[in-house]
Amino acid sequence: DVKVTQSSRYLVKRTGEKVFLECVQDMDHENMFWYRQDPGLGLRLIYFSYDVKMKEKGDIPEGYSVSREKKERFSLILESTSTNQTSMYLCASSLLGIPEAFFGQGTRLTVV
Amino acid sequence: SQQGEEDPQALSIQEGENATMNCSYKTSINNLQWYRQNSGRGLVHLILIRSNEREKHSGRLRVTLDTSKKSSSLLITASRAADTASYFCATDETKAGTALIFGKGTTLSVSS
Repeated sequence: DVKVTQSSRYLVKRTGEKVFLECVQDMDHENMFWYRQDPGLGLRLIYFSYDVKMKEKGDIPEGYSVSREKKERFSLILESTSTNQTSMYLCASSLLGIPEAFFGQGTRLTVV
Repeated sequence: SQQGEEDPQALSIQEGENATMNCSYKTSINNLQWYRQNSGRGLVHLILIRSNEREKHSGRLRVTLDTSKKSSSLLITASRAADTASYFCATDETKAGTALIFGKGTTLSVSS
């Protein structure tokens, strides 16, 4: 079974802190994605990557950056957190050319 | 940009009844998928329908796709309390280099 693992289920950070959200997949998937999910807004795409060291902006990249140094790992970086980044963050991966995506369990980030 | 819009936003039914959720989208697509999310968890893929298909079945799930109306529906027959979850449609556009775009979801509550 494909496994997508997010490093934390719950995080509480103070405004202005730097946060790394890590995501690892074990099935050699080329594609990896970061979404945030907020009540009433559904899932919104932050960034995605089709290969190592490649990244593409999604719909809401402002305030975020990403890193993909290895194929299995895709990190979401919040350089200086703000309260409006309090959200559920979901990582997903998929094979190139195969539309089905596999999701991690999510990280619920609270910025105080 | 949010590609899919589900309707209704919330649906409450009794066990044994059928549940129908609808999804509308805006651009040409390769595929449309439906995902399920239990409360506070990641999403799980349910079923995929390709743009050249009109109907697909999987167990108690039936999905239809009308590309002329840019809409899809998910029917869950003989619903169970365990079907209580949020359901999302997701599309990938025909142009290359795009990620899955999700709608806002339908929250289904099945009471016994």
